[in-house]
Amino acid sequence: QSVLTQPPSASGTPGQRVTISCSGGSSNIGSFTVNWYQQLPGTAPKLLIYTNNQRPSGVPDRFSGSKSGTSASLAISGLQSEDEADYYCATWDDSLNGFLFGGGTKVTVL
Amino acid sequence: EVQLVESGGGLVQPGGSLRVSCVVSGFSFDNYAMSWVRQAPGKGLEWVSTISSSGGTYFVDSVKGRFTISRDNSRNTLYLQMNSLRAEDSAIYFCAKDKARWSGYWNYWGQGTLVIVSS
Repeated sequence: QSVLTQPPSASGTPGQRVTISCSGGSSNIGSFTVNWYQQLPGTAPKLLIYTNNQRPSGVPDRFSGSKSGTSASLAISGLQSEDEADYYCATWDDSLNGFLFGGGTKVTVL
Repeated sequence: EVQLVESGGGLVQPGGSLRVSCVVSGFSFDNYAMSWVRQAPGKGLEWVSTISSSGGTYFVDSVKGRFTISRDNSRNTLYLQMNSLRAEDSAIYFCAKDKARWSGYWNYWGQGTLVIVSS
């Protein structure tokens, strides 16, 4: 069980908004910025959001991130079929002196 | 164009050793922290190790004392030496490039190399 807790699955119909939560603690999310990765089936992860809410160039503005206290969220608005993927939050943990990933959330487009 | 290409994966017996490599191109390798992240079959991502641009190293607790990370800046190559391998080390091993000397996130990833620990 991961120190960063994500729901195992989320789903929505095309065009809907989906939100994924990532819950941590004071030694990780509470003290450091959160990054999000998207992993399409059979491929390497891709940086989706960095420093809580910044999008790398090329990432559609349908993807947005936020952080409050010891939790973070990823929102996908205007859900599209190509958004079907696994999504992971990640951050540094001061107690573990290492990086952490959430357990991952599989997004399904119905 | 930034490229990261892993190699060296394969089948190894429990207790054995393996070294995986990641050859990079398209950026100044010595200016960036580099990491290894693994993914067991059907499982999530797990951070394994990071080496900073200055050579400082960090490991997840489960591999401390067994794995070593190193870099050869003259060869643009990142290594992960894995000793005393266990079945639970079986995974795809991805190398990943930090956004900066140490930003804490990875903006480029390799395609991964598969390590299977089994008798």
